Amino acid sequence: QQQVKQSPQSLIVQKGGISIINCAYENTAFDYFPWYQQFPGKGPALLIAIRPDVSEKKEGRFTISFNKSAKQFSLHIMDSQPGDSATYFCAASPHAYSGAGSYQLTFGKGTKLSVIP
Amino acid sequence: DSGVTQTPKHLITATGQRVTLRCSPRSGDLSVYWYQQSLDQGLQFLIQYYNGEERAKGNILERFSAQQFPDLHSELNLSSLELGDSALYFCASSVDLILSGNTIYFGEGSWLTVV
Repeated sequence: QQQVKQSPQSLIVQKGGISIINCAYENTAFDYFPWYQQFPGKGPALLIAIRPDVSEKKEGRFTISFNKSAKQFSLHIMDSQPGDSATYFCAASPHAYSGAGSYQLTFGKGTKLSVIP
Repeated sequence: DSGVTQTPKHLITATGQRVTLRCSPRSGDLSVYWYQQSLDQGLQFLIQYYNGEERAKGNILERFSAQQFPDLHSELNLSSLELGDSALYFCASSVDLILSGNTIYFGEGSWLTVV
């Protein structure tokens, strides 16, 4: 069964600190790795995404690091702010032509981030 | 606002009943996905439709069914409801059938409580 394992379940970070959330996968057919951010009462929204041909992608304070050989990827939030307090989900989907048959996102179980002032 | 509209936002119903959740995808999006979110299982993919046809099935129970209509809106039907079906049900949409690399946009969800 396709799985994405995410850790930690919850994370408390001081304002200005670095938040790090990790994910691991097993299916080598995965080739698209997005991170979603979900605020209470809202649906998940795409934050940043990466493909395996690069090891890092940065957008503002958010960085994805990708380790293809270890089948791991992580989200780093630099200079964390109280407004970043939300639940973060990593996800993965297979290559369009992998023969996987379905291309829906498989999500990790989420990390609840609390940034305290 | 993602552009994906879900109704109702909240629903309370009794065990054994049937409910229908409705979703209008973003304008121009042909693919619709249904996800179930619960505290212990996270976001679970249920089913995907593309331009009216079922394209992928995930962990969807036989008591559940869905369809996508010619105007591209979708409905998720949940029947013989059990307490364990209480969850947040999300609809999402994307432009294409092939998800890889395409942004998937989520609605704000329908809270279902079964009592």
